[in-house]
Amino acid sequence: GNSVTQMEGPVTLSEEAFLTINCTYTATGYPSLFWYVQYPGEGLQLLLKATKADDKGSNKGFEATYRKETTSFHLEKGSVQVSDSAVYFCALGFSGNRDDKIIFGKGTRLHILP
Amino acid sequence: AAGVIQSPRHLIKEKRETATLKCYPIPRHDTVYWYQQGPGQDPQFLISFYEKMQSDKGSIPDRFSAQQFSDYHSELNMSSLELGDSALYFCASSSRSIGRNTEAFFGQGTRLTVV
Repeated sequence: GNSVTQMEGPVTLSEEAFLTINCTYTATGYPSLFWYVQYPGEGLQLLLKATKADDKGSNKGFEATYRKETTSFHLEKGSVQVSDSAVYFCALGFSGNRDDKIIFGKGTRLHILP
Repeated sequence: AAGVIQSPRHLIKEKRETATLKCYPIPRHDTVYWYQQGPGQDPQFLISFYEKMQSDKGSIPDRFSAQQFSDYHSELNMSSLELGDSALYFCASSSRSIGRNTEAFFGQGTRLTVV
């Protein structure tokens, strides 16, 4: 079946450190890939997305590249800030009506220390 | 810009009671999804609707039911509530489907506490 696996947290970094959160997926077909972020006490917000192989999604200094050969969509940021502290969810979804729900990974909690 | 509206934001119910959660999608979005997120857990898909018809069903208990109305808003009805139903319930909406050119937009969630 379709699934998403992401690195377990929590991940604790100092401000201005480099961030990588690993995400791999298993899917039949060609999904779109997403990173969602959940700040404390808030809902899920789309951070970035990629809809086909080799696409790079980017937003707010975060980047992720859709790697079909390694079935990965790792999230990276060159210099994290305290305000980036949140839970990050990798997710996949499909176009079409048969299986159009989003499937989430278990989330990675990120703590950034000042 | 209009977002997905969920009501109520917080709800406290006793065991064996009934709860109704409402979701108002972004205008012109025709697809609604419901997710349940337990404490420290990832969101779990419950059910989805496209054009007022159920399109997919996930791990939704038989005690729960949902529907999408003619104005595209959706309601999740939960009966015989159990302590384990305490969670954050998210609604999301999209245009036709989640896929290459669209994504789901999430509401702020309804936090249900069963006591």
